[in-house]
Amino acid sequence: DVKVTQSSRYLVKRTGEKVFLECVQDMDHENMFWYRQDPGLGLRLIYFSYDVKMKEKGDIPEGYSVSREKKERFSLILESASTNQTSMYLCASSLGPIQGYTFGSGTRLTVV
Amino acid sequence: GENVEQHPSTLSVQEGDSAVIKCTYSDSASNYFPWYKQELGKGPQLIIDIRSNVGEKKDQRIAVTLNKTAKHFSLHITETQPEDSAVYFCAARKTSYDKVIFGPGTSLSVIP
Repeated sequence: DVKVTQSSRYLVKRTGEKVFLECVQDMDHENMFWYRQDPGLGLRLIYFSYDVKMKEKGDIPEGYSVSREKKERFSLILESASTNQTSMYLCASSLGPIQGYTFGSGTRLTVV
Repeated sequence: GENVEQHPSTLSVQEGDSAVIKCTYSDSASNYFPWYKQELGKGPQLIIDIRSNVGEKKDQRIAVTLNKTAKHFSLHITETQPEDSAVYFCAARKTSYDKVIFGPGTSLSVIP
């Protein structure tokens, strides 16, 4: 079975900390994505990548950056965590054009 | 840009009844329409998808219909079971490398 693994299920961080959320897929997928999910706001795209070392901004990139040094790994970085970044973060990957996404189980991040 | 609306936001049905969730999209160039199911505490899972050259697709108890003229598509679940209780998201995408735009979600409850 295709798998997307997010390194942490729950995280609690302090305001101002630098936070790394890791995502690994084992399917040799080209495309990887980071979303955040908030009640009433649905799924919002933060960043995505169609290839190693390639990244594109999504709809809400402010306060975030990403890294994709290897095809299977896509990291989301919160440069200086703030309380309004408290959310569920979902990583996804897809094989390519006209293919559905495989999502990870999510990381629930709380910034205090 | 593309906008996807989804109705209803919540839906309760008796076990064994059918459930229908409807989505509309704004960009007539959209050509790929996936549906995702998100169970509590998990990431969304692709359950069915349809491309613009097809009007209907079925997979056991679930079916999706697409009306390109009216720019809407629907998810039909027959003989609902308690394990169908989840949040369902529709989505649309225009071309291979466009962003997938998600609807806001429908919370389905199947009452035993």
